[in-house]
Amino acid sequence: ETGVTQTPRHLVMGMTNKKSLKCEQHLGHNAMYWYKQSAKKPLELMFVYSLEERVENNSVPSRFSPECPNSSHLFLHLHTLQPEDSALYLCASSQVGASYEQYFGPGTRLTVT
Amino acid sequence: SQQGEEDPQALSIQEGENATMNCSYKTSINNLQWYRQNSGRGLVHLILIRSNEREKHSGRLRVTLDTSKKSSSLLITASRAADTASYFCAPGNQGGKLIFGQGTELSVKP
Repeated sequence: ETGVTQTPRHLVMGMTNKKSLKCEQHLGHNAMYWYKQSAKKPLELMFVYSLEERVENNSVPSRFSPECPNSSHLFLHLHTLQPEDSALYLCASSQVGASYEQYFGPGTRLTVT
Repeated sequence: SQQGEEDPQALSIQEGENATMNCSYKTSINNLQWYRQNSGRGLVHLILIRSNEREKHSGRLRVTLDTSKKSSSLLITASRAADTASYFCAPGNQGGKLIFGQGTELSVKP
């Protein structure tokens, strides 16, 4: 256990559905991250929140919408996704300004049909 | 780019042998981190080496850093089948953002 949990672990959704991925960290960290990992591709950094403020948005399509209501929780809201969005979505947290290492959740395996 | 690039892309060894993976990067760094990922799961932080350090050990892991060559290596000694995983390096700066490369896929055969 890394102290970062993600739910659900698996999700199958149609292109017209709306769903949300949830991440929670129990480490007292001040930064949280969303990554996308597709087959045969490097991890792609999607969003970064530091002190609950979004500080990075790497040209992610608007069908992905992050939300960080407090320093322990991070959501990724999904709507009208495409089949190419099928991937493993990983959440991570870190203490910026201190230890720097990131702690990852187990990921949500998303399949868009 | 701050992305680390791992080499080789794939490595297959026998149990008990040592495994060496290399990482190169292009910008100046504050630290460099190594992570492991078992298939379909999240990444696990292995070790962090700061820019003013040259070598660091943790159990069977040895990491070196050469900032003049902008390179790092990860050595796993006396490998075990359980070490089978993908290994990623991530050059880090003070902002905390990490950019991961393709990784090295290590297979340790019993």
